[in-house]
Amino acid sequence: AQSVAQPEDQVNVAEGNPLTVKCTYSVSGNPYLFWYVQYPNRGLQFLLKYITGDNLVKGSYGFEAEFNKSQTSFHLKKPSALVSDSALYFCAVSGSGTYKYIFGTGTRLKVLA
Amino acid sequence: GAVVSQHPSRVICKSGTSVKIECRSLDFQATTMFWYRQFPKKSLMLMATSNEGSKATYEQGVEKDKFLINHASLTLSTLTVTSAHPEDSSFYICSAREGTRSDEQYFGPGTRLTVT
Repeated sequence: AQSVAQPEDQVNVAEGNPLTVKCTYSVSGNPYLFWYVQYPNRGLQFLLKYITGDNLVKGSYGFEAEFNKSQTSFHLKKPSALVSDSALYFCAVSGSGTYKYIFGTGTRLKVLA
Repeated sequence: GAVVSQHPSRVICKSGTSVKIECRSLDFQATTMFWYRQFPKKSLMLMATSNEGSKATYEQGVEKDKFLINHASLTLSTLTVTSAHPEDSSFYICSAREGTRSDEQYFGPGTRLTVT
């Protein structure tokens, strides 16, 4: 069965510092991996995805993520956090051909000024 | 491009009534639409998958007769919560998948349902 784990409910980071939001997955076959961000009372905004190719994926708003097949991880990173990055972040996985997303439980990011 | 809208954004209804939520793909044809439910401070739970012109596929534990889904066209899917109860209060989010870009879902802004 497919699953996604986001082990941290909340991540606090000082503005200007690098941030990492962790995600590990379990899926049969090649995974399709996604990161989304949600602001209060809003839908999900797409940040980036990994389907195939280069393991380092660059996305919106300066975010990037690294696909690590051996560790089955897809951690979200940003070199320098902004206060405006404070939001709820979701990792999602789908198996190739299924098109259904399985979401992680979400990680709340707080960037402190 | 790839914009999905939902209407209404917020709705309050009385217990026992039904409420309909619309999900529209504004600039693409959505071969598949998905309906999610999000509880406070929780993740998104997939409720059902709908394909245009066919019956929705519901996830385990989701009541088909309570959450009626219709995908009448390639740009519109509706979710009707029938005989709503306070425990149905939640944030409902739809997403759509375009046929030619099948690996990504585009999400609507969500609908906050409150049942009193």
